[in-house]
Amino acid sequence: GAGVSQSPRYKVTKRGQDVTLRCDPISSHATLYWYQQALGQGPEFLTYFNYEAQPDKSGLPSDRFSAERPEGSISTLTIQRTEQRDSAMYRCASTWTVNTGELFFGEGSRLTVL
Amino acid sequence: EDQVTQSPEALRLQEGESSSLNCSYTVSGLRGLFWYRQDPGKGPEFLFTLYSAGEEKEKERLKATLTKKESFLHITAPKPEDSATYLCAVQGNRDDKIIFGKGTRLHILP
Repeated sequence: GAGVSQSPRYKVTKRGQDVTLRCDPISSHATLYWYQQALGQGPEFLTYFNYEAQPDKSGLPSDRFSAERPEGSISTLTIQRTEQRDSAMYRCASTWTVNTGELFFGEGSRLTVL
Repeated sequence: EDQVTQSPEALRLQEGESSSLNCSYTVSGLRGLFWYRQDPGKGPEFLFTLYSAGEEKEKERLKATLTKKESFLHITAPKPEDSATYLCAVQGNRDDKIIFGKGTRLHILP
């Protein structure tokens, strides 16, 4: 696609529910990153993919968080048993390879847990 | 652990008043240092990559410089449209993570 697309743009859920966020990267990009961004803060690294491989998931806050990219294109970030502290903007970014820091970010998915 | 510290947290300037933003970093072998601009409600937008100490990059009123411990983003004669949050990020040799700082919120008054 022309840019990185994320959905949903806004998600409101109740504590304890599972949510899945989706990222559709730029089609020629092998590498995809997920970040969590609190209001007024910089993006915090969660995990990244090289095609379908997930070499680093050290930033995932707990085992309630998981991500996948089964065919090396679209990626999902799933949060199980959501908690209020999970409320944040979740941003996806893609780039050609891991050797470039020129990331292309999507508009983000804002998650609110009530 | 790789770390990025940006200062100041916020900066208000009059239009035309030049200044610099600071990014201090700790990384196990720098692969690249990156500057991004983020407008409210938008995702960060890439500005520059710097690879080694002494390197400089320019774009319009912005110039980024790099030393072994820090980077500066110099803003010359800024305009109100330069108002945004400026983010610094690093990637080290140990892994492929790109770590961001908390950003500097820049406000240019007309």
